Amino acid sequence: GAGVSQSPRYKVTKRGQDVALRCDPISGHVSLYWYRQALGQGPEFLTYFNYEAQQDKSGLPNDRFSAERPEGSISTLTIQRTEQRDSAMYRCASSSGGVLLEQFFGPGTRLTVL
Amino acid sequence: AQTVTQSQPEMSVQEAETVTLSCTYDTSENNYYLFWYKQPPSRQMILVIRQEAYKQQNATENRFSVNFQKAAKSFSLKISDSQLGDTAMYFCAFMKHEGYSTLTFGKGTMLLVSP
Repeated sequence: GAGVSQSPRYKVTKRGQDVALRCDPISGHVSLYWYRQALGQGPEFLTYFNYEAQQDKSGLPNDRFSAERPEGSISTLTIQRTEQRDSAMYRCASSSGGVLLEQFFGPGTRLTVL
Repeated sequence: AQTVTQSQPEMSVQEAETVTLSCTYDTSENNYYLFWYKQPPSRQMILVIRQEAYKQQNATENRFSVNFQKAAKSFSLKISDSQLGDTAMYFCAFMKHEGYSTLTFGKGTMLLVSP
């Protein structure tokens, strides 16, 4: 596609349920990042993939959060046993990994945990 | 660790006027990049302008320019001839100059352009 896409755009779930958020990066982009943005704040880093390898997961808040990118393209961020504090905008970004290092952001998934 | 500070939660400007948004950062790195991102009501994240720390010349993109003061660790954004479509949240962001690097964002400045 022309840009980074994410689905669903909005997700409302009940506390305790698992959710899976999908990111489809720009074709050919080797680097993929996940960020979380709370209301009124800037995005905060969660995890990074280079191709299919998860090279940095230092930003994942706890072990309920996990991510994968099995074929080096589409990525899924999974949150198990959701809690109200997980409510936020989850953003994906991709980069060609070249010298420009520019990250292109998707529209985000707005997660609300009731 | 890097930190980015935007001390102006909100700014207002009238159409056609000039406004400057402030950003300071803290890092021990010598090579890095700085960015300004725009987040309009649609909540997309749009890159406005970028600056490489090793370049002394301030970056310019049409009506947008920066004042990069490396010694002072300051990176302000100037918007000239403000337009209604400039109304948005503006985020300053830092990135280390590495093979890969994550973005560290400030908390943002909400800019309102009025007619």
